[in-house]
Amino acid sequence: EPEVTQTPSHQVTQMGQEVILRCVPISNHLYFYWYRQILGQKVEFLVSFYNNEISEKSEIFDDQFSVERPDGSNFTLKIRSTKLEDSAMYFCASSDSGGGETQYFGPGTRLLVL
Amino acid sequence: DQQVKQNSPSLSVQEGRISILNCDYTNSMFDYFLWYKKYPAEGPTFLISISSIKDKNEDGRFTVFLNKSAKHLSLHIVPSQPGDSAVYFCAAVASNFGNEKLTFGTGTRLTIIP
Repeated sequence: EPEVTQTPSHQVTQMGQEVILRCVPISNHLYFYWYRQILGQKVEFLVSFYNNEISEKSEIFDDQFSVERPDGSNFTLKIRSTKLEDSAMYFCASSDSGGGETQYFGPGTRLLVL
Repeated sequence: DQQVKQNSPSLSVQEGRISILNCDYTNSMFDYFLWYKKYPAEGPTFLISISSIKDKNEDGRFTVFLNKSAKHLSLHIVPSQPGDSAVYFCAAVASNFGNEKLTFGTGTRLTIIP
């Protein structure tokens, strides 16, 4: 069964450093998403991406964040200068159409900023 | 901004009995609802969904009921099995308004007692 994969599974970084989180969405999907879950809190939407551009983003997704689909398979989230409060689980998701279509999630990357 | 609420943080049910998980929402623009199951250190796994044009959707042991007038949905699992022990998230999307983001509830931890 096709699945969303994410690397790395864990990342520890120093405050102010750049991190890139990688995702390989399900191959025939066209819509891609990043969500995060701070420990003990709900899963929060960060950004959605379609046709090589951002289609929607939350207020969390400020100028420190960027997304890219560098090739036909990878989808990345970059945090330019990490802050302590960026520590969270980051989930990538994909769907084969937008709107109400079911989004399928990857296993997540646990990011710890020290 | 609690647009999607799961008021029971935890629920314990005897194996073989029915588990009922509840979810309330406040945003009347939501028109598609999903339930996800999450194990520790894994991403959310899609379980079942329902469009606002329906009031019930069934898939095997899982049934979701939607009461639009009350802005309430519930997930029924019957019979409950030990493998159902996980955190269950309700999520909603306003697909007809061009939105794609899932808005999640805070989750209910379900424990099935053997």
